Amino acid sequence: ETGVTQSPTHLIKTRGQQVTLRCSSQSGHNTVSWYQQALGQGPQFIFQYYREEENGRGNFPPRFSGLQFPNYSSELNVNALELDDSALYLCASSSSPAGLYGYTFGSGTRLTVV
Amino acid sequence: DAKTTQPNSMESNEEEPVHLPCNHSTISGTDYIHWYRQLPSQGPEYVIHGLTSNVNNRMASLAIAEDRKSSTLILHRATLRDAAVYYCILRRSGGSNYKLTFGKGTLLTVNP
Repeated sequence: ETGVTQSPTHLIKTRGQQVTLRCSSQSGHNTVSWYQQALGQGPQFIFQYYREEENGRGNFPPRFSGLQFPNYSSELNVNALELDDSALYLCASSSSPAGLYGYTFGSGTRLTVV
Repeated sequence: DAKTTQPNSMESNEEEPVHLPCNHSTISGTDYIHWYRQLPSQGPEYVIHGLTSNVNNRMASLAIAEDRKSSTLILHRATLRDAAVYYCILRRSGGSNYKLTFGKGTLLTVNP
């Protein structure tokens, strides 16, 4: 059973640029969520996708957007990068939208905006 | 979302039991209690969850107070690999609230 894989592991971007982060869900999982984790803080929910539709969103501006593909892999896109977007971005998958039996997280993408 | 309160940090010795407390006095009847942990340089890892009864799995035990206003995650024999930040999270069943709301968690240090 493969886990959740994210790419790239590290990334440096310039303020104002756009970035795309990728996530491959655990086999058999149809739901994917994205989280942002600033240094020293707990992860903050960005949004969740179930069967290619967004079905939940946290307090993040529209410049944070996502996609889920038919194979349940996912992308997180961030436009007009700001310095405060520097964080660890985590992808999590589960076998149902409610995730009551747990989410499987990837190791994250460390984004640095300069 | 109902709020949880955890100590900022705890310390344990290797091979001793560890009891990690969590207070959730505003818990509702449909809130499940979930625990995740995050090892250094990794994403969070699901540990255990429960609703009313105590739960055991290969990683840990979860003891839930009778009034459900508090719970305790029990690691029966701590190892160095258990050093991590432990998060206690409430998840409401039903509805469309699918997010995990993480606090700052408890940083567990395990001494050799």
